[in-house]
Amino acid sequence: TQLLEQSPQFLSIQEGENLTVYCNSSSVFSSLQWYRQEPGEGPVLLVTVVTGGEVKKLKRLTFQFGDARKDSSLHITAAQPGDTGLYLCAGGVAGNNRKLIWGLGTSLAVNP
Amino acid sequence: ETGVTQTPRHLVMGMTNKKSLKCEQHLGHNAMYWYKQSAKKPLELMFVYNFKEQTENNSVPSRFSPECPNSSHLFLHLHTLQPEDSALYLCASSQDFVTDTQYFGPGTRLTVL
Repeated sequence: TQLLEQSPQFLSIQEGENLTVYCNSSSVFSSLQWYRQEPGEGPVLLVTVVTGGEVKKLKRLTFQFGDARKDSSLHITAAQPGDTGLYLCAGGVAGNNRKLIWGLGTSLAVNP
Repeated sequence: ETGVTQTPRHLVMGMTNKKSLKCEQHLGHNAMYWYKQSAKKPLELMFVYNFKEQTENNSVPSRFSPECPNSSHLFLHLHTLQPEDSALYLCASSQDFVTDTQYFGPGTRLTVL
């Protein structure tokens, strides 16, 4: 069974701090996506990474796909209250991309 | 309307009721999905439709019945549900069923009494 483990599960920080959340697996994925979900809403896609070692930046968010395509990280610089939400990672399975393997998510609270 | 919309946003039903959830996507996509999101569990894929044809049914109980009349609309018909079916039901779409980037609607929060 393929699993994606996200850590930490919960994170509460002050505005202006930096943070990193992780998404790890023993399986290789053809792609990895990060989503942010706010309470009462559906997940919103932030980024898709497909190449081992790939780094993508989205304003203050930096996403990295591991060289072996088994793990990924999301780093947020100078966090703001608007970054609060549930961060989900999902891995695409090679040859069967319609089925995504989902992590449980990291619940982030950024306090003003 | 843009993106993926879902109605109703909230639904409370008894175990003997029959209700339907509706999803509409305005992205010109060909694949649509139903997911169940419960506390402390990863997102669970329920059904996949590609060009209106059901391509996947992940052992979902028959009390959930999907319908996809065209590539833009997806329904989930509910009957004789159980309290453990209470969850957030999310609809998503993608360009096609081999594209791994999915776009989600806001979800329907379902409570079964």
